Amino acid sequence: QQQVKQSPQSLIVQKGGISIINCAYENTAFDYFPWYQQFPGKGPALLIAIRPDVSEKKEGRFTISFNKSAKQFSLHIMDSQPGDSATYFCAASGNTGKLIFGQGTTLQVKP
Amino acid sequence: DGGITQSPKYLFRKEGQNVTLSCEQNLNHDAMYWYRQDPGQGLRLIYYSQIVNDFQKGDIAEGYSVSREKKESFPLTVTSAQKNPTAFYLCASSIGGVFNQPQHFGDGTRLSIL
Repeated sequence: QQQVKQSPQSLIVQKGGISIINCAYENTAFDYFPWYQQFPGKGPALLIAIRPDVSEKKEGRFTISFNKSAKQFSLHIMDSQPGDSATYFCAASGNTGKLIFGQGTTLQVKP
Repeated sequence: DGGITQSPKYLFRKEGQNVTLSCEQNLNHDAMYWYRQDPGQGLRLIYYSQIVNDFQKGDIAEGYSVSREKKESFPLTVTSAQKNPTAFYLCASSIGGVFNQPQHFGDGTRLSIL
């Protein structure tokens, strides 16, 4: 019940396209859902986060969509750029504050 | 600039040896965390500390130990009891005090077996 399942494992998108990464969770006590971006040899950096009282949050080209009833949330990267090529992790946490991470998605944006 | 500094960047361990990974932060954060990252498995929590002189086991604490004597520092020791230590180790910190604050990560230490 503590798992967060992330898909796809890898994704190739053309420059200017939309990248979509999906995550599903089981624990209904989760109430914080961040997305992290990680470049090779670096630590993850917080990209955007959402709480379940809203269904969508947008920051620049990055949007989180949240479906509480389906226990799913997704990251959409609009107008994807080669500089967006990285590994993306979704995560979830509840009242323990402990983040449970998805397995990661490696995104490649082709010029 | 405030941030988290992990050292060394690369570390090699011999059989039966304990090694210590350093993590220092100047963000004035109360909470600190250690994660292990393996290919295709995301990040898994080893230990975390919400306040100085206190820490709790995460999901994969066996074979690891930590200390939290200063707010700024949270070193991780990989003991000889950890039979598969090869991984990328990440330290993080957050404001703490309230749950679900953003965690800020260092740039990791890559540990390999000689």
